[in-house]
Amino acid sequence: AQSVTQLGSHVSVSEGALVLLRCNYSSSVPPYLFWYVQYPNQGLQLLLKYTTGATLVKGINGFEAEFKKSETSFHLTKPSAHMSDAAEYFCAGRGNTGFQKLVFGTGTRLLVSP
Amino acid sequence: DAGVIQSPRHEVTEMGQEVTLRCKPISGHNSLFWYRQTMMRGLELLIYFNNNVPIDDSGMPEDRFSAKMPNASFSTLKIQPSEPRDSAVYFCASSFRLAGGGANTGELFFGEGSRLTVL
Repeated sequence: AQSVTQLGSHVSVSEGALVLLRCNYSSSVPPYLFWYVQYPNQGLQLLLKYTTGATLVKGINGFEAEFKKSETSFHLTKPSAHMSDAAEYFCAGRGNTGFQKLVFGTGTRLLVSP
Repeated sequence: DAGVIQSPRHEVTEMGQEVTLRCKPISGHNSLFWYRQTMMRGLELLIYFNNNVPIDDSGMPEDRFSAKMPNASFSTLKIQPSEPRDSAVYFCASSFRLAGGGANTGELFFGEGSRLTVL
């Protein structure tokens, strides 16, 4: 069964610093992987997704993530944090066939200080 | 384009009362999901439908919870009777998913949620 683990419930960075949010998955087959962002009092919004092909995926707001099969990881990065990036980020994954459920990680809250 | 529409956005009710949450998925989507989000338990999948048919309701916590999808453009989640521990934000999400999966990634599009407070 697919599972997704996010390391660190909170990550704090300074404005302008590198953002790195970690996600590892467990799956016997290459999964589809997603990063979602949730701003306060809002629903989840898709940041980016990995399906097949290029392992470096670019998303909205300057975020990108790299699928590394050897490390079973899909970490989210952004070169320079902005105050508006403060939000909760969820990694999610599902198998690539049939009606498999999307499994979410527990989320990482990103705090950005001036 | 209209996204997933949920109502009400906020609901405050007293223990024992019936609560009905509503969801209109994105037009053309064939899968609908109900999630519950709390600080303690994070995001929990309650139930999901494909082509209006419930596929997996294993996440529904108790018989007090029920969900219906009478047509492709409407779903309800009902709690009867409600209890304080049901207080949470309930999200509806929709996607378009092919039966065989394959190239269809089926990413979810979320509504803004219904915040339920049971006193």
